[in-house]
Amino acid sequence: EPEVTQTPSHQVTQMGQEVILRCVPISNHLYFYWYRQILGQKVEFLVSFYNNEISEKSEIFDDQFSVERPDGSNFTLKIRSTKLEDSAMYFCASSEWQGGEQFFGPGTRLTVL
Amino acid sequence: QQQVKQSPQSLIVQKGGISIINCAYENTAFDYFPWYQQFPGKGPALLIAIRPDVSEKKEGRFTISFNKSAKQFSLHIMDSQPGDSATYFCAASRTNAGNNRKLIWGLGTSLAVNP
Repeated sequence: EPEVTQTPSHQVTQMGQEVILRCVPISNHLYFYWYRQILGQKVEFLVSFYNNEISEKSEIFDDQFSVERPDGSNFTLKIRSTKLEDSAMYFCASSEWQGGEQFFGPGTRLTVL
Repeated sequence: QQQVKQSPQSLIVQKGGISIINCAYENTAFDYFPWYQQFPGKGPALLIAIRPDVSEKKEGRFTISFNKSAKQFSLHIMDSQPGDSATYFCAASRTNAGNNRKLIWGLGTSLAVNP
């Protein structure tokens, strides 16, 4: 069964460093999302992406964040200068069509020291 | 207006019992209400979803009840099993002009089913 994959599973970084979180969505999916979940809190929408551009972004998704689909398979989230409060589980999701079920990856746990 | 409130935060049920998790929303523009199940170390997986044109949807042991006037929806797990022990999230979203359907999530309910 096709699935969304994410790497790495756990990333530890120093405050101020850049991190890139990688996702491989399901191959025939066209809509891509990043969500995050701070420990003990709710899952929060960060950004959606379609046709090589951002469709919508939340207020969390400031200038420190960017997304890219560098090739036909990967979808990345970059945080330019990490802050302590960026420590969270980051989930990538994809769907085949706009209103379709969103399939989630297993997540990347980001720890900023 | 964007919030989805979920309760209880945790729930313990005996095997064979009924698990009930409730959610409430404010935004009447929401038109899609999924429930996700998450096991430790895994991403959320869609369990069942409902749209506001029906009041109930059943899939196996899982049922969503939807009350549009009260702006509430709930998940019922019949004949709960230890394998159902997981975290359950309700969510809501609305169709918009953009090319996306962002999900607004509840806080989650940690369900433990005792054998």
